[in-house]
Amino acid sequence: DQQVKQNSPSLSVQEGRISILNCDYTNSMFDYFLWYKKYPAEGPTFLISISSIKDKNEDGRFTVFLNKSAKHLSLHIVPSQPGDSAVYFCAASTGTASKLTFGTGTRLQVTL
Amino acid sequence: NAGVTQTPKFQVLKTGQSMTLQCAQDMNHEYMSWYRQDPGMGLRLIHYSVGAGITDQGEVPNGYNVSRSTTEDFPLRLLSAAPSQTSVYFCASSYSGGGPFRGYTFGSGTRLTVV
Repeated sequence: DQQVKQNSPSLSVQEGRISILNCDYTNSMFDYFLWYKKYPAEGPTFLISISSIKDKNEDGRFTVFLNKSAKHLSLHIVPSQPGDSAVYFCAASTGTASKLTFGTGTRLQVTL
Repeated sequence: NAGVTQTPKFQVLKTGQSMTLQCAQDMNHEYMSWYRQDPGMGLRLIHYSVGAGITDQGEVPNGYNVSRSTTEDFPLRLLSAAPSQTSVYFCASSYSGGGPFRGYTFGSGTRLTVV
C-alpha cells in the first residue's frame, strides 16, 4: 500500500516558468512533510519541509503548500532554472523523525 | 565535515554471497537509516536506528541485517545475496534534537548488482 504517491513520473517546464510537483498521501497520522531533490549518482538532498500545522512554507524560489483535508501537498518552483532538473521525492513522517516514507519521485526537466 | 560516508560505491556479488555495506557519519546524529532505491519504487526503508544499540525493521527488511554498536556507524549486511537485491542503497542520518526537522542527510549511495 503506497502511503505517499507521486502520480506524475515526469514533468517538463520551460526555463523561467513555474514548476508544480504534486504529492498525495493516505495516512492521516503523517504530521511532517518534506521534499528532496536528487541528481543522478548522488544521494537525495533536503529541499524544503512543512509541518502539518501550517499550510504554506516558502524558501526562496521554493514553496510547499499543504492541503490536509485533501491529503495533498505541492512544491512550486518559481522561476524554474535548468539546474533544477532532477528527480524530486516527496516524503512524510509521523510523530518522531526516525522514519520517512517516500513517494516514487517525479523527474523534472527544465528546458531552455 | 564528511557528512555520511558509504563504502563501497559499486559492488558486484554472486548469488548466495554475503557482504557488508558500510556507513559512517561524523555529525553525531542519533537517527540512522538504510534505504534502497529501485526504478518506479522510490526509496524504501530497510532498517533504521534511533540510537546506539537500538535498531528496528522498516518496510523491506527481509534478507538484510543491521547493528548499531556506535553512534557513528550503521553497517548493512546482506546475508545471502539474491538478484532481487540488485539496487542502489542509501544510508542516511538525522539529529533527534529540537528545532525544525530538516530531514535526513544522505550518503552518495552504493550501487549493488547481484548476478
